[in-house]
Amino acid sequence: GAVVSQHPSWVICKSGTSVKIECRSLDFQATTMFWYRQFPKQSLMLMATSNEGSKATYEQGVEKDKFLINHASLTLSTLTVTSAHPEDSSFYICSARSGGLSTLSGANVLTFGAGSRLTVL
Amino acid sequence: AQSVTQLGSHVSVSEGALVLLRCNYSSSVPPYLFWYVQYPNQGLQLLLKYTTGATLVKGINGFEAEFKKSETSFHLTKPSAHMSDAAEYFCAVTPYSNSGYALNFGKGTSLLVTP
Repeated sequence: GAVVSQHPSWVICKSGTSVKIECRSLDFQATTMFWYRQFPKQSLMLMATSNEGSKATYEQGVEKDKFLINHASLTLSTLTVTSAHPEDSSFYICSARSGGLSTLSGANVLTFGAGSRLTVL
Repeated sequence: AQSVTQLGSHVSVSEGALVLLRCNYSSSVPPYLFWYVQYPNQGLQLLLKYTTGATLVKGINGFEAEFKKSETSFHLTKPSAHMSDAAEYFCAVTPYSNSGYALNFGKGTSLLVTP
């Protein structure tokens, strides 16, 4: 089935530094990937939609200069948290659309990465 | 906008008992509805989805859900809970047949299974 790989799984950084998280679709091409943020014990909040070859679409309230998204190829999207601060500490999850590749095949099936936990000291 | 509401942030059942996790949706167009499961510090795994056709949807791990348009509900059930079912469960919705849209998630229900 469809697999989405996220790296790194865990990252700790100092305040003020930048951190890059990669999201790869391993066995399918993803023209669209989505980045979510999840706070402890809460739901997933959509941050942005990443479109291959074009600018990302950010949700209201998400700082595009803070969370840089690049989708340079059909299998890779990256999220860079710039000048990270402790309030950016969170669980970041990416997902990609993989129609017809999972056992529950069909349109609008999103495959999720395992997530990246960011801790900013 | 499409949204889902999950009733009950925490549900506790005994091992072997029926699991019922509630989800109601709001959508101005026919929705696609999903249930995902999340284990600690992991991503989300698709349990099942409803698109069109049969309203009773069977998924993995013995879970199923029934789409009831009249009740705007998509409750998740499992006849007999296992200890391994303990996890966070999310209901999600996306507009019908719009491949560019992401999922809108409910707030999640934490399922606890006791021996």
